[in-house]
Amino acid sequence: DTGVSQDPRHKITKRGQNVTFRCDPISEHNRLYWYRQTLGQGPEFLTYFQNEAQLEKSRLLSDRFSAERPKGSFSTLEIQRTEQGDSAMYLCASTPGGRQPQHFGDGTRLSIL
Amino acid sequence: DQQVKQNSPSLSVQEGRISILNCDYTNSMFDYFLWYKKYPAEGPTFLISISSIKDKNEDGRFTVFLNKSAKHLSLHIVPSQPGDSAVYFCAGVGSNYKLTFGKGTLLTVNP
Repeated sequence: DTGVSQDPRHKITKRGQNVTFRCDPISEHNRLYWYRQTLGQGPEFLTYFQNEAQLEKSRLLSDRFSAERPKGSFSTLEIQRTEQGDSAMYLCASTPGGRQPQHFGDGTRLSIL
Repeated sequence: DQQVKQNSPSLSVQEGRISILNCDYTNSMFDYFLWYKKYPAEGPTFLISISSIKDKNEDGRFTVFLNKSAKHLSLHIVPSQPGDSAVYFCAGVGSNYKLTFGKGTLLTVNP
């Protein structure tokens, strides 16, 4: 049973550049969540997919952020025109649904220079 | 507005003793709670959960207690082991089963 996989593990970029992260959930998990964690805080919800449908987006997700989950498999999170405040750990989690616990990947750490 | 609060940033206990981590919440819509453990450079790992219709759930060395009237949860680890040293997050489950986390408590278990 492979876990949730995230790529890359670390991304360093200059302010103003676009970045894209990928998440591969556990096979057959139809729910996929993105969270963001900054230093000293717990993870904060960003967005949620059920299969390929994006069903909820947080107010934290500005119009520079976009997420997709084509065919209900892997998901991508893109940030356009990155800003210093985007520096954070971006976590992906998946679950079969219902009250099954979410399983997290090891995250992508984004550093903005 | 912090809906889940973990007021102790850190806790230090001796190996073999009990560790008690506390969590308070304000959102009455939470009907399910989870505890996660996180090691540095890794994602959170699910530990134990409890439904709001219960007041206790036990899994090996880990027990979670829920006091719904006080909107308070606690995680007990007995006996504590050095490998338990990690950051522990409490989370409430809201609509669409999204998680609302506290800021975490760093537990250090000293040999």
